[in-house]
Amino acid sequence: EDQVTQSPEALRLQEGESSSLNCSYTVSGLRGLFWYRQDPGKGPEFLFTLYSAGEEKEKERLKATLTKKESFLHITAPKPEDSATYLCAVLLVGGANSKLTFGKGITLSVRP
Amino acid sequence: GAVVSQHPSRVICKSGTSVKIECRSLDFQATTMFWYRQFPKQSLMLMATSNEGSKATYEQGVEKDKFLINHASLTLSTLTVTSAHPEDSSFYICSAGRGSYGYTFGSGTRLTVV
Repeated sequence: EDQVTQSPEALRLQEGESSSLNCSYTVSGLRGLFWYRQDPGKGPEFLFTLYSAGEEKEKERLKATLTKKESFLHITAPKPEDSATYLCAVLLVGGANSKLTFGKGITLSVRP
Repeated sequence: GAVVSQHPSRVICKSGTSVKIECRSLDFQATTMFWYRQFPKQSLMLMATSNEGSKATYEQGVEKDKFLINHASLTLSTLTVTSAHPEDSSFYICSAGRGSYGYTFGSGTRLTVV
């Protein structure tokens, strides 16, 4: 069965304390892995798409990496405004409809 | 960039009534739209996939007669929660797909059934 697991469930950081969020997946065929940010009461906001192992993408304090088994979202020197829930999702090969399968998310709190 | 507008953002309705939620792609044509449900502190659960001009595909366990989906044009999909009950209270989110890549989400609808 295809699975997406995110860890830890919650993470509390001090402002400036860098860390990484993990998304591990066991799927039959990966077409893409997506990272989203979700603020309370809002829809997910797109961050990155990664397609192949070894790929990396960066945006401001965030950097996403991908291996054959997992993806990391690295947060460098986070600020309180980075507090949010970070979701990863996988897009699988095949099927009539290309649909995303989400992990449960990681709730990040950054203290000033 | 691609924008998906979801409306309303919040709705409160009485038990037994129906509620319609709209999802519009504003600057692109969406052949496929997805409807999700999200419980507090949980991830997004896909309810159904709607394709323009054809019937929606529902995920296992989702009642198609309770959650009616219509995707009549390339820019509009609607989700109607029929005969709503308190257990239908949730956060509903739509997403529009642009082929195999690129999924843009609406801002969500908080439904409260009293």
